[in-house]
Amino acid sequence: GAGVSQSPSNKVTEKGKDVELRCDPISGHTALYWYRQRLGQGLEFLIYFQGNSAPDKSGLPSDRFSAERTGESVSTLTIQRTQQEDSAVYLCASSPSRMNVLTFGAGSRLTVL
Amino acid sequence: AQSVTQPDIHITVSEGASLELRCNYSYGATPYLFWYVQSPGQGLQLLLKYFSGDTLVQGIKGFEAEFKRSQSSFNLRKPSVHWSDAAEYFCAVGEARGAQKLVFGQGTRLTINP
Repeated sequence: GAGVSQSPSNKVTEKGKDVELRCDPISGHTALYWYRQRLGQGLEFLIYFQGNSAPDKSGLPSDRFSAERTGESVSTLTIQRTQQEDSAVYLCASSPSRMNVLTFGAGSRLTVL
Repeated sequence: AQSVTQPDIHITVSEGASLELRCNYSYGATPYLFWYVQSPGQGLQLLLKYFSGDTLVQGIKGFEAEFKRSQSSFNLRKPSVHWSDAAEYFCAVGEARGAQKLVFGQGTRLTINP
């Protein structure tokens, strides 16, 4: 597609529920990133996919967080047993291989009540 | 591992004044360096990037940044700011080999006084 598409744009859930956030990267972009941005704060790296290589999961804050990506297509970030501190905007970005210029999606705003 | 420090959390300047936003990075090899801007209610947009070559890079909206290896800095500048420049600015560093993860600073919020 023309840009990075994320869904849902807004998600309100109750504490303890599981949520799935979806990212559809730019076609042909081999690298895909997930970041978290809490209100008024910077971007916190979560996970990075590059082609068929093993993902860099070093930023995932707990084992309640996981992400998958099939090939060079859609990625899903899953948060299990959500907590109020998970409330944030989750940003997805993609980039062409070996160039590091990220194009960001509009984000998915998660609110955990 | 790479890291980025943006020392100024919030800066206020008058419209028409010059601007410099500071960015210091920590990385053992040659980095890729970026500045992104996030306007209220908008997504992140790339302002400019440094990969190699000329250490003074020009970006969109009249911004420029200078890579100073000796100071591990990549400060963003603009000669004359406009009210529309009010936004959050993020510096980021990436590894110079391949598309590796980018690490972002905490951001600097820019307010413009009329």
